[in-house]
Amino acid sequence: AQSVTQLGSHVSVSEGALVLLRCNYSSSVPPYLFWYVQYPNQGLQLLLKYTSAATLVKGINGFEAEFKKSETSFHLTKPSAHMSDAAEYFCAVSDRAGRDMRFGAGTRLTVKP
Amino acid sequence: SAVISQKPSRDICQRGTSLTIQCQVDSQVTMMFWYRQQPGQSLTLIATANQGSEATYESGFVIDKFPISRPNLTFSTLTVSNMSPEDSSIYLCSARTSGGAGDTQYFGPGTRLTVL
Repeated sequence: AQSVTQLGSHVSVSEGALVLLRCNYSSSVPPYLFWYVQYPNQGLQLLLKYTSAATLVKGINGFEAEFKKSETSFHLTKPSAHMSDAAEYFCAVSDRAGRDMRFGAGTRLTVKP
Repeated sequence: SAVISQKPSRDICQRGTSLTIQCQVDSQVTMMFWYRQQPGQSLTLIATANQGSEATYESGFVIDKFPISRPNLTFSTLTVSNMSPEDSSIYLCSARTSGGAGDTQYFGPGTRLTVL
């Protein structure tokens, strides 16, 4: 069975600082990996996804993530945090058959002025 | 892409009653899913809604408690039956536009349910 683990349920950064949200996956087959963002009282919005093309994936709002097979990781980064980045971030994994998507526990990002 | 709407957006219900949540997608989609997000927690898949046949439920979820319908390629309903306070949660509809595993999975805004 596939799963993802997000390290850190809460991350706090200052505006302008680097954002790093950690995600490790477990999968017996090459996975598809996703990062979603959820703003308060809203649904989930896709930030980016890895589908075995380039290992460095660029998404919306300046976010990017790098797939590292040797580390089974797919960490999300953004060079400079903005106040509007404050939200809940979810890492997710899907198998190649596309039956369903499994989510991590989520990381709440707080951005301090 | 797909835009998903859900009705109602929120509701407060009494114990023992049932609530049906509607999910409408603005385009035909291959796969539709229902998730539950309990307060402060991640998403848990309830079931995959299959068009014209019974939904496929995940472990811990049963049809009697969460009956699901999917009459066509753009619409699905989830009923939360005989509700208890433990059912208080956000219920999210999700859809994938094609069968490809790498395809984006879109989410509705959710239905926030409170059971008293």
